[in-house]
Amino acid sequence: EVQLVESGGGLVQPGGSLRLSCAASGFSFSNSWMYWVRQAPGKGLVWVSRINSEGSTTSYADSVKGRFTISRDNAKNTLYLQMNSLRAEDTAVYYCARGSGNSYRLDYWGQGILVTVSS
Amino acid sequence: DIQMTQSPSSLSASVGDRVTITCRASQSISSYLNWYQQKPGKAPKLLIYAASSLQSGVPPRFSGSGSGTDFTLTISSLQPEDFATYYCQHSYTIPVTFGGGTKVEIK
Repeated sequence: EVQLVESGGGLVQPGGSLRLSCAASGFSFSNSWMYWVRQAPGKGLVWVSRINSEGSTTSYADSVKGRFTISRDNAKNTLYLQMNSLRAEDTAVYYCARGSGNSYRLDYWGQGILVTVSS
Repeated sequence: DIQMTQSPSSLSASVGDRVTITCRASQSISSYLNWYQQKPGKAPKLLIYAASSLQSGVPPRFSGSGSGTDFTLTISSLQPEDFATYYCQHSYTIPVTFGGGTKVEIK
């Protein structure tokens, strides 16, 4: 069974940092492209970042470029999102998701983790 | 970026009704269109990919159609467990973008 479990969320002050983790199991993590998607309270889904299976290619939404860094440890079957210079508008539930093959569709999602940026 | 516009933003329907949700892309995306279902407090779930292919385990009352810029998601006979919010997403290029969602509520 495919499982994605996010951790590391919580309350952080504006300008602060947080690192999210996503522990993967039940599939070949090292062969899968992975994604982060976020959802502000009561709002829709917004793509944040993507990383290829080797970790050599990454992409970011303009809203987080230069502040967030996606990475992965294939030996630990874990995906990360380092979030720096956090703003109130980064407040959201963050989901990790698996890409299906080389497509940009997301076939399995974690349960999500809440990040709240507030003083 | 490719903009995805869903309509309606919400609808009320009864169990057994046929429901259709529309998604329009700001440029042609061929058949690179996916549909997700999200229930309150839960993660999205992939229902339809490549515009019309049913994801494994999804009931056949869900179907998708369209290509180019106009797409539809149809639920042939609405069931109690189908009350949720539905999102379209293009997978044509990065950045992928989602529609604003359609909330299906009980009439």
